[in-house]
Amino acid sequence: AQSVTQLDSHVSVSEGTPVLLRCNYSSSYSPSLFWYVQHPNKGLQLLLKYTSAATLVKGINGFEAEFKKSETSFHLTKPSAHMSDAAEYFCVVSGEHGGSQGNLIFGKGTKLSVKP
Amino acid sequence: DADVTQTPRNRITKTGKRIMLECSQTKGHDRMYWYRQDPGLGLRLIYYSFDVKDINKGEISDGYSVSRQAQAKFSLSLESAIPNQTALYFCATSDPGLAGGLGNEQFFGPGTRLTVL
Repeated sequence: AQSVTQLDSHVSVSEGTPVLLRCNYSSSYSPSLFWYVQHPNKGLQLLLKYTSAATLVKGINGFEAEFKKSETSFHLTKPSAHMSDAAEYFCVVSGEHGGSQGNLIFGKGTKLSVKP
Repeated sequence: DADVTQTPRNRITKTGKRIMLECSQTKGHDRMYWYRQDPGLGLRLIYYSFDVKDINKGEISDGYSVSRQAQAKFSLSLESAIPNQTALYFCATSDPGLAGGLGNEQFFGPGTRLTVL
């Protein structure tokens, strides 16, 4: 069965410093992995996705994530945080057949705060 | 115009009332999903439908029912609302036929915030 663990419930950085949001996954299939972002009082927006092509995936707004099979990780990074990056981020896994039920399996989320 | 719309966007109701949340999509996707979001728990799947004649329970279906009226419409009902159903509800769609192995990407509506007093 697939699962995903976001290692930090809350991350705080200063504007202009790097962002690292950590995610580990478990999957019995070759997984598809996603990062979604949710700004306050908004819906979910796809940041980036890994589907067995390049292991380094570039997303929107300067974010990227690296798929590391040996470490079962898919950490999200950004070189320089911006105030507008403050949001909640979800790491999501889907198996070869879309998860056990054809759905996505969400981590519990990491809330990113950005200080001026 | 938004591809996935949800109505209402906000709803306050009382314990025991019947509530229906509606979802419509213009993406032409066969698969539709209902999730609820609670603080610190991420999103959890309530029901999903792979086509009009196919309805399946998700992780937390107790207390909920759904109706797939058409390819484009998928409604979630709370037959007798209770306070612990207070949450943010999301509808999503996907298309398994999308090229490049992206068929499991889901597209989300803006959410419905439901409060049960």
